[in-house]
Amino acid sequence: DTGVSQNPRHKITKRGQNVTFRCDPISEHNRLYWYRQTLGQGPEFLTYFQNEAQLEKSRLLSDRFSAERPKGSFSTLEIQRTEQGDSAMYLCASSLTGTQGHGYTFGSGTRLTVV
Amino acid sequence: AQTVTQSQPEMSVQEAETVTLSCTYDTSESDYYLFWYKQPPSRQMILVIRQEAYKQQNATENRFSVNFQKAAKSFSLKISDSQLGDAAMYFCAYRSFQAPFGNEKLTFGTGTRLTIIP
Repeated sequence: DTGVSQNPRHKITKRGQNVTFRCDPISEHNRLYWYRQTLGQGPEFLTYFQNEAQLEKSRLLSDRFSAERPKGSFSTLEIQRTEQGDSAMYLCASSLTGTQGHGYTFGSGTRLTVV
Repeated sequence: AQTVTQSQPEMSVQEAETVTLSCTYDTSESDYYLFWYKQPPSRQMILVIRQEAYKQQNATENRFSVNFQKAAKSFSLKISDSQLGDAAMYFCAYRSFQAPFGNEKLTFGTGTRLTIIP
């Protein structure tokens, strides 16, 4: 297992365009999390899945954002009508139920730049 | 809601010396987890050390140890024998122990950038 994989690593898009990011968690992990990290800040929670069910969404996740995990494996995060304020690093993490006290395994992130 | 505060935006230490990074948090919960994560320039967050609030003994992982003061809501990280590879952003994070739906998230501080001086 190579850990949590995120693609693409970098994405530059024009304002108003839609973008989609993918996260492949550690295969046996049933929980998957999305975080957003802006420059000089710590990561902020966006949403999390247990298997295919999206169980919590942050107020940061406006209606332009949607996340899916259709088969309980990989997840996608889509941002519609991107705005410059969406420029950030989007981090994915995963964990296994019952092991949350051991922390989460993070991916390397997708850096989004909206121009 | 829980909050995590890291009051040192930047710290530096001479190689082989010891440095302590500060973290305070605010919570009304009695049971929770605390973590220190390291984020090198490559940007992948790596777990450094964790502490369960119900354990009085401070956690230790090789050169990394914590000073957990539950009453003061303080959770500092001590790095001994600092090495060049320790240079990174360090984030303190909090997670509830009991996790009904809605308590799954990690709450992070704003981070401390650690520089190692050769």
